[in-house]
Amino acid sequence: EDQVTQSPEALRLQEGESSSLNCSYTVSGLRGLFWYRQDPGKGPEFLFTLYSAGEEKEKERLKATLTKKESFLHITAPKPEDSATYLCAVSDSWGKLQFGAGTQVVVTP
Amino acid sequence: KAGVTQTPRYLIKTRGQQVTLSCSPISGHRSVSWYQQTPGQGLQFLFEYFSETQRNKGNFPGRFSGRQFSNSRSEMNVSTLELGDSALYLCASSLVGGPNQPQHFGDGTRLSIL
Repeated sequence: EDQVTQSPEALRLQEGESSSLNCSYTVSGLRGLFWYRQDPGKGPEFLFTLYSAGEEKEKERLKATLTKKESFLHITAPKPEDSATYLCAVSDSWGKLQFGAGTQVVVTP
Repeated sequence: KAGVTQTPRYLIKTRGQQVTLSCSPISGHRSVSWYQQTPGQGLQFLFEYFSETQRNKGNFPGRFSGRQFSNSRSEMNVSTLELGDSALYLCASSLVGGPNQPQHFGDGTRLSIL
């Protein structure tokens, strides 16, 4: 059965303190790996899609990378507004997303 | 461009009742998926509709059903509500669905069962 595991569950950072979130997956034939950000009381906001090992995507202070078994979301010099829960999900051939439990990130000034 | 719109935002029901939730996708998007989010189980896929047809279904009981209209708007219905149905119900849309397209989510309907 496909599994998506995110670590750590929670991360507390000082403003400017860079860190990485991990998403490991076991799927039979990865179709796509997606990163989302979710703020309290809101729906997930799409960040990145990765399709093949070695692929990287960047957006402002965020950079997502993909290997054959895991993906990393690097947060460089985070600001308080980067505080959110970050979710990763893998897609099956029909586009059904299977989500990990998320990493709750808190960035303090 | 307007995002995915879900109504109502909040709903309180009692056990045994039924409920209908509504979702308007992003203009031009024809695939609509529904997810249930709870603290214990996280985000779980319910079903996906494309061109008024259910194309994919998750592991939920038959009390959960949905439909899609010709304008791509979708509704989700839950009958005989149980306490465990309390959750945030999220709708997501994409152009035509499939594994290569990102899904864009609405802010959900918070359903509370008393």
